[in-house]
Amino acid sequence: KAGVTQTPRYLIKTRGQQVTLSCSPISGHRSVSWYQQTPGQGLQFLFEYFSETQRNKGNFPGRFSGRQFSNSRSEMNVSTLELGDSALYLCASSLAETFNEKLFFGSGTQLSVL
Amino acid sequence: GEDVEQSLFLSVREGDSSVINCTYTDSSSTYLYWYKQEPGAGLQLLTYIFSNMDMKQDQRLTVLLNKKDKHLSLRIADTQTGDSAIYFCAESLANQAGTALIFGKGTTLSVSS
Repeated sequence: KAGVTQTPRYLIKTRGQQVTLSCSPISGHRSVSWYQQTPGQGLQFLFEYFSETQRNKGNFPGRFSGRQFSNSRSEMNVSTLELGDSALYLCASSLAETFNEKLFFGSGTQLSVL
Repeated sequence: GEDVEQSLFLSVREGDSSVINCTYTDSSSTYLYWYKQEPGAGLQLLTYIFSNMDMKQDQRLTVLLNKKDKHLSLRIADTQTGDSAIYFCAESLANQAGTALIFGKGTTLSVSS
């Protein structure tokens, strides 16, 4: 079974631009979560999507948004990029059938904002 | 608010046991997890423990949970150079709207031969 796939692997953007990252979950997984990883703040939860609906959201500004498609694939978008948005963005999928949310992570998209 | 704390670094010799410690704040956490991250990779789930358990063993890994002190530890027996990585402790905050994991900042384990 294929793992969680994130594209692109690396991305370089300039301040003010917007960016879209993509995540394909493990087949059969209905929940997709996004996390931001930086050296200073560590791993921070962005949001979770389940059945095309955002059902949980972390403490990030409205510039960060996401969506989930009917095939469970998810995208996240960051508008008006700032230097501080440079980070590794990790996507995770889970079955979302019980409270034991075993998350399976992709390798991430490394975003650099210049 | 919720917080998970870990020591930042641990250095051991090959063959020794490693113990990585973690404290958490949310007593309503149902599950606690240990993840491993190798350079350039995502996070790999190592093991987890349900909050009503004290201990869980899985091959070389032993998880101990002290719910009263909100303390979690991961013991790796017979540590190998391939165990060198960053280890993250995480707590699950289950609510009706879904779940989110709160991660510690990670402990970098360095194993020398």
